[in-house]
Amino acid sequence: DVKVTQSSRYLVKRTGEKVFLECVQDMDHENMFWYRQDPGLGLRLIYFSYDVKMKEKGDIPEGYSVSREKKERFSLILESASTNQTSMYLCASSPREGSNEQFFGPGTRLTVL
Amino acid sequence: GQQLNQSPQSMFIQEGEDVSMNCTSSSIFNTWLWYKQDPGEGPVLLIALYKAGELTSNGRLTAQFGITRKDSFLNISASIPSDVGIYFCAGRKNAGNMLTFGGGTRLMVKP
Repeated sequence: DVKVTQSSRYLVKRTGEKVFLECVQDMDHENMFWYRQDPGLGLRLIYFSYDVKMKEKGDIPEGYSVSREKKERFSLILESASTNQTSMYLCASSPREGSNEQFFGPGTRLTVL
Repeated sequence: GQQLNQSPQSMFIQEGEDVSMNCTSSSIFNTWLWYKQDPGEGPVLLIALYKAGELTSNGRLTAQFGITRKDSFLNISASIPSDVGIYFCAGRKNAGNMLTFGGGTRLMVKP
């Protein structure tokens, strides 16, 4: 079974802190994605990556950056956390470009105080 | 980015009832997907639709790809308590393009 894991289920940080959210997939997928999920807004794409060291901006990249140094790991970085970044963050992976099924991790609920 | 309009936002139904939800867009999508998110988990793919007019079933779930390619519908028959969760539609315009998600429908089932 495909497994996507995220480093934390719950995280509480203070405004201005640098925050790292880690995601690891164990199925050798090329594509990885970071979304944020907010009530009524569904899932909005922050960043995605098609390959190691490759990254592309999604719909809402402002205030975020990403790192993909290894194929199995995709990190989301909040350079200076703000209260409006309080949200559920979901990581996903898929096996190839154009593949429809994205496999999601369980999510990290981040609260910024 | 564009978002799909999904309705209703939430539903509270009695066990055994049928459920309908839909997703609409002002632009054309070539693939429609329906995901379910159980409480505390990430979304899981339920049904994928690839052709306008296509009707596909997965157990008690039936989804349709609208003929105009601007909408899709999901029906759940004879709901049970484990149907509780958030259902998301998602559309893809072309191969390699990202998925666009709807706002989600939160389903609650009363035993």
